[in-house]
Amino acid sequence: NAGVTQTPKFQVLKTGQSMTLQCAQDMNHNSMYWYRQDPGMGLRLIYYSASEGTTDKGEVPNGYNVSRLNKREFSLRLESAAPSQTSVYFCATRTGRDTEAFFGQGTRLTVV
Amino acid sequence: GIQVEQSPPDLILQEGANSTLRCNFSDSVNNLQWFHQNPWGQLINLFYIPSGTKQNGRLSATTVATERYSLLYISSSQTTDSGVYFCAVRQVGYKLSFGAGTTVTVRA
Repeated sequence: NAGVTQTPKFQVLKTGQSMTLQCAQDMNHNSMYWYRQDPGMGLRLIYYSASEGTTDKGEVPNGYNVSRLNKREFSLRLESAAPSQTSVYFCATRTGRDTEAFFGQGTRLTVV
Repeated sequence: GIQVEQSPPDLILQEGANSTLRCNFSDSVNNLQWFHQNPWGQLINLFYIPSGTKQNGRLSATTVATERYSLLYISSSQTTDSGVYFCAVRQVGYKLSFGAGTTVTVRA
């Protein structure tokens, strides 16, 4: 029972390159989220999916796209990476709006 | 949206000391969690506590929803308690918003 699994754990990109961050959960949760954490700051919501088949923007969606592939998987895509997207990215899941959220181990992304 | 403020921003403790971390929020909430981010960056769930009091070992938490604050108590602190402590509340809809965190350093 892995919980919430993110891949990759580390990634270095050149400016302008694209990549997809993957998140998979085996907790049978309905809602999934992508956050970014910059140094000295709390987590900021990028996109979320309240349930399979729906996605919505969070606080900082510019430069990102998401896909809720099925109930288990929620991916985050950077089409043209910029140095401002250097951050640690966390995926989270929970069953419903007022339930406990669980986080993956994070992906440390550096854009040079 | 709901504003989440945590205090103090930094806390330095001697091993064995007790401490209280505070989380204030600007509107009523139905969902509040406390997390510990360890020095390796992992986010560890501490409490899901929209109201009331819970205890887990040396840690306990109290949320007074009507007065819009939550407290996290650390007793007999250990070096493994070092890290950043976050509270998070649900905004309108599904969004979960985080405070800026309290950085705790426990010295041996």
